[in-house]
Amino acid sequence: AQSVTQPDIHITVSEGASLELRCNYSYGATPYLFWYVQSPGQGLQLLLKYFSGDTLVQGIKGFEAEFKRSQSSFNLRKPSVHWSDAAEYFCAVGAPRVGNLIFGKGTKLSVKP
Amino acid sequence: GAGVSQSPSNKVTEKGKDVELRCDPISGHTALYWYRQSLGQGLEFLIYFQGNSAPDKSGLPSDRFSAERTGGSVSTLTIQRTQQEDSAVYLCASSLARSSYNSPLHFGNGTRLTVT
Repeated sequence: AQSVTQPDIHITVSEGASLELRCNYSYGATPYLFWYVQSPGQGLQLLLKYFSGDTLVQGIKGFEAEFKRSQSSFNLRKPSVHWSDAAEYFCAVGAPRVGNLIFGKGTKLSVKP
Repeated sequence: GAGVSQSPSNKVTEKGKDVELRCDPISGHTALYWYRQSLGQGLEFLIYFQGNSAPDKSGLPSDRFSAERTGGSVSTLTIQRTQQEDSAVYLCASSLARSSYNSPLHFGNGTRLTVT
């Protein structure tokens, strides 16, 4: 069965600084990988997804993520964080022929001025 | 267009009572998911409906939890004999395609359940 780990519960970065949120997955084959964001008072929104092909995927709001099979990772990055990026970020993994997604426990991002 | 709608947005109930949580998916979405979000626990998968297929109930934590989806649209999650550990935000999501990989999940804003 697939699983996903987000090692960082809470991260604080300064506005304008770069960001990397970690995600490690467990699955025997190439998984389907996703990042979702949950802003305060908002529902979860898909940032980006990886199915196959180019291992660097671009998402909305200036985010990108890189799939590294050798490290079983799918880390989320942004070169310059904005105050509006403060939210909780969830990595999720899925598998072929399995409908549900398995989510990590989330990383809460705080942005200081 | 209208998104996934969940009701009520907040529910406070006494321990031992039954509760029903409702989800209205986006029109035309064939897949519907229920997740539970507890503090520090992330999103816990509960149940998944796809069209007329038998639902995947593998995430339901106990037999006190059940869900149905009538007419392939609205879904109700029922928790019987609620316990304090059931307190959480219950999230519903829907997607257009059979596989969530071809179509993203659209989440509702959730129902915050508090069991006193």
